[in-house]
Amino acid sequence: AQSVTQLGSHVSVSEGALVLLRCNYSSSVPPYLFWYVQYPNQGLQLLLKYTTGATLVKGINGFEAEFKKSETSFHLTKPSAHMSDAAEYFCAADTGRRALTFGSGTRLQVQP
Amino acid sequence: DTAVSQTPKYLVTQMGNDKSIKCEQNLGHDTMYWYKQDSKKFLKIMFSYNNKELIINETVPNRFSPKSPDKAHLNLHINSLELGDSAVYFCASTYSGRKSYEQYFGPGTRLTVT
Repeated sequence: AQSVTQLGSHVSVSEGALVLLRCNYSSSVPPYLFWYVQYPNQGLQLLLKYTTGATLVKGINGFEAEFKKSETSFHLTKPSAHMSDAAEYFCAADTGRRALTFGSGTRLQVQP
Repeated sequence: DTAVSQTPKYLVTQMGNDKSIKCEQNLGHDTMYWYKQDSKKFLKIMFSYNNKELIINETVPNRFSPKSPDKAHLNLHINSLELGDSAVYFCASTYSGRKSYEQYFGPGTRLTVT
């Protein structure tokens, strides 16, 4: 069975600082991996995905993530945080079942 | 606009009532889902349908009955509502023929059972 762990339920950064949101997966097979963002009272929007190929993937709004098989990680980064990045971020995995297993989410706060 | 839409956006009802949530997608996808997000923001899959056929049923109480009249619609009917059913329910869709597996989510339906 697969599982997704997000370290840190809350992350606070200053505007302009690096954003790092951590995600580790546990799976017997390499999963497809996703980061979704949820703004207050809204649905989930896909930020980026890893399926196969290049392990560094770029997404929308300046975010990127690197798939590291040896570390079973898929951490999300952004070089410079913006106030509009404040939201809930979810890491998710799919091992071919075509159903997403989500992490518990990380709330990102951006301080002015 | 191309999207996944859900109605209603908010639903407040009393325990014991029966209610339905509707979902429609115009993305041409053939697979649709219901996810439940609890008060702690945890998201969990409930059901998936592919071409109107039930594929995944994740130990959801029998009071929850999904129905897919066609590939573009997936409804969720809940009988005898309980306090613990209060949550945000998200519909999502994807195209099974695509290898990228990403799912597109609706805006959610916030169900409050009093």
